[in-house]
Amino acid sequence: AQKVTQAQTEISVVEKEDVTLDCVYETRDTTYYLFWYKQPPSGELVFLIRRNSFDEQNEISGRYSWNFQKSTSSFNFTITASQVVDSAVYFCALSEALNFNKFYFGSGTKLNVKP
Amino acid sequence: GAVVSQHPSRVICKSGTSVKIECRSLDFQATTMFWYRQFPKKSLMLMATSNEGSKATYEQGVEKDKFLINHASLTLSTLTVTSAHPEDSSFYICSAQGRPGDTQYFGPGTRLTVL
Repeated sequence: AQKVTQAQTEISVVEKEDVTLDCVYETRDTTYYLFWYKQPPSGELVFLIRRNSFDEQNEISGRYSWNFQKSTSSFNFTITASQVVDSAVYFCALSEALNFNKFYFGSGTKLNVKP
Repeated sequence: GAVVSQHPSRVICKSGTSVKIECRSLDFQATTMFWYRQFPKKSLMLMATSNEGSKATYEQGVEKDKFLINHASLTLSTLTVTSAHPEDSSFYICSAQGRPGDTQYFGPGTRLTVL
């Protein structure tokens, strides 16, 4: 079974719209980390956030916010007032206590922000 | 901080030749480096994990004799694709981690095309 599911393959929005990227994960560990990375067309993965399983506080960083809900095993990512530069593929990832080094990546969500 | 470079960014080679890709952590010491492969519009697939000074650990299905990994120092890991074939054409991405469980920081990737 897939450990990280990003059901949205591709999303298109118009600039200034808010958009939420979904991430659902599956693990039996009580200790784990969740991540979001951005991959712009250039290919480099840019680290956005790391959240450990014991910290369910939502986080806001500028236009970015993350909603971690253990009850639904979700770690959703919202971009407020989207901009063209936000266009990229976004990956959600999970690492577990059994082996924190091994990342399980979701299949990615391609976000297109149109002017 | 946490910058990872890869060289070359793009390489085209003839079938049967070997290609070496370098991954460097520029501003931190990486005890562990990871090599991923990404097919077009697909997620990242972990190929192997390498710890400085020891043999790499390969994921199931990855041929260790085909993809030689060396992690000679705390800032450099190399991936050599031996006797490359067209099916080895892909985007190869490395990541580096300072300590176990730390965030992985990714390089910009190397696009390999085997003719």
